[in-house]
Amino acid sequence: GAVVSQHPSWVICKSGTSVKIECRSLDFQATTMFWYRQFPKQSLMLMATSNEGSKATYEQGVEKDKFLINHASLTLSTLTVTSAHPEDSSFYICSAEGGSGKRNTEAFFGQGTRLTVV
Amino acid sequence: QKEVEQDPGPLSVPEGAIVSLNCTYSNSAFQYFMWYRQYSRKGPELLMYTYSSGNKEDGRFTAQVDKSSKYISLFIRDSQPSDSATYLCAMNGGTSYGKLTFGQGTILTVHP
Repeated sequence: GAVVSQHPSWVICKSGTSVKIECRSLDFQATTMFWYRQFPKQSLMLMATSNEGSKATYEQGVEKDKFLINHASLTLSTLTVTSAHPEDSSFYICSAEGGSGKRNTEAFFGQGTRLTVV
Repeated sequence: QKEVEQDPGPLSVPEGAIVSLNCTYSNSAFQYFMWYRQYSRKGPELLMYTYSSGNKEDGRFTAQVDKSSKYISLFIRDSQPSDSATYLCAMNGGTSYGKLTFGQGTILTVHP
């Protein structure tokens, strides 16, 4: 299957700093990428949808100025958590869709990034 | 009310048992239904996807969708300890395969 790589897999940062998370599709071009957040023992909640070369579409309740998303190429999307606070601590997961054949019928998930803000 | 409801469990079964996992949903626009498996601190991996109502079988896994009842199921036959994971149902309206609404996930443990 297609591979989506997310980096870093875990990060600890101080309150007030910014953290950047990368999501790369390694063997296909991802026309659209998605960012999800997952709190412990809870479901994945969609935060935003990003299309290459255009502004991301944020879900209701997600602060676009706090969670900056850039999708500069067909293989890379980044999520920057700005001025992070302890309540931003969560598991962030990206997924990517695109390509042809089987890849048109599913989105592929990265391995996730565990963010801890102290 | 959540759009997708899933009993979080936890569910513990002996090896070899048949496991039944279920979700209900409220949005009648949902057309595609998926089951994902997620190991601890990992991203979800797709197990099964089904379009509209019906059954789909893949090895030990069977997915069922009943749109009239807004109810989907995943059955695991001959369960193995390696099946121990969190199982998430997910669905969407078909406009984008990646824009999914997930259930809470059911934690499954298969003990030897």
